[in-house]
Amino acid sequence: DTAVSQTPKYLVTQMGNDKSIKCEQNLGHDTMYWYKQDSKKFLKIMFSYNNKELIINETVPNRFSPKSPDKAHLNLHINSLELGDSAVYFCASSQDALSGGPYNEQFFGPGTRLTVL
Amino acid sequence: AQSVAQPEDQVNVAEGNPLTVKCTYSVSGNPYLFWYVQYPNRGLQFLLKYITGDNLVKGSYGFEAEFNKSQTSFHLKKPSALVSDSALYFCAVRDMDNNAGNMLTFGGGTRLMVKP
Repeated sequence: DTAVSQTPKYLVTQMGNDKSIKCEQNLGHDTMYWYKQDSKKFLKIMFSYNNKELIINETVPNRFSPKSPDKAHLNLHINSLELGDSAVYFCASSQDALSGGPYNEQFFGPGTRLTVL
Repeated sequence: AQSVAQPEDQVNVAEGNPLTVKCTYSVSGNPYLFWYVQYPNRGLQFLLKYITGDNLVKGSYGFEAEFNKSQTSFHLKKPSALVSDSALYFCAVRDMDNNAGNMLTFGGGTRLMVKP
């Protein structure tokens, strides 16, 4: 069984569109994340979220917003897509990030390659 | 603020030889340190971590890493490289004393090429 899954795997869209990427984890973890990996493979945290707190990397444009319908899901919504948003987006999860276990490793999904034309 | 540096974009090693992938970090408090590996078109996989205790940490696939507080380093090592170890390796740090949530900061990655 896949621990952290993302859909779609590939997403090609036009500038200005609004799109969403879905993420689900079946590990029972309480914290989920979104990362952006650019063309040079540099990996950058975008959001950290659990049922108590959303932590946003201050460099992330407000066109990006996470939405969590429940503890097992954290979807990424992107409004008014720009060329520079083209990247691979990774979802990840971990357990007890804020309640005694910030040393726990994160489990990553397979990634969603977003191409903005 | 926390940061990680991986000074080598690429490391080349012959199969059977030992390998080292370098990582140095900067945190204001005490660090949690991690190594992840990324194979082509895949997500990151956890290899090992340092939290506290013994400075030499053993992880998956025969990899190990040594925490050196005085040099603020956490180099990844393996005694005998395999061609299948060829991948992109990321070092990551979290400041255990000064960071909300579980925000990891990753290094820029080092591509390991193991040649037969």
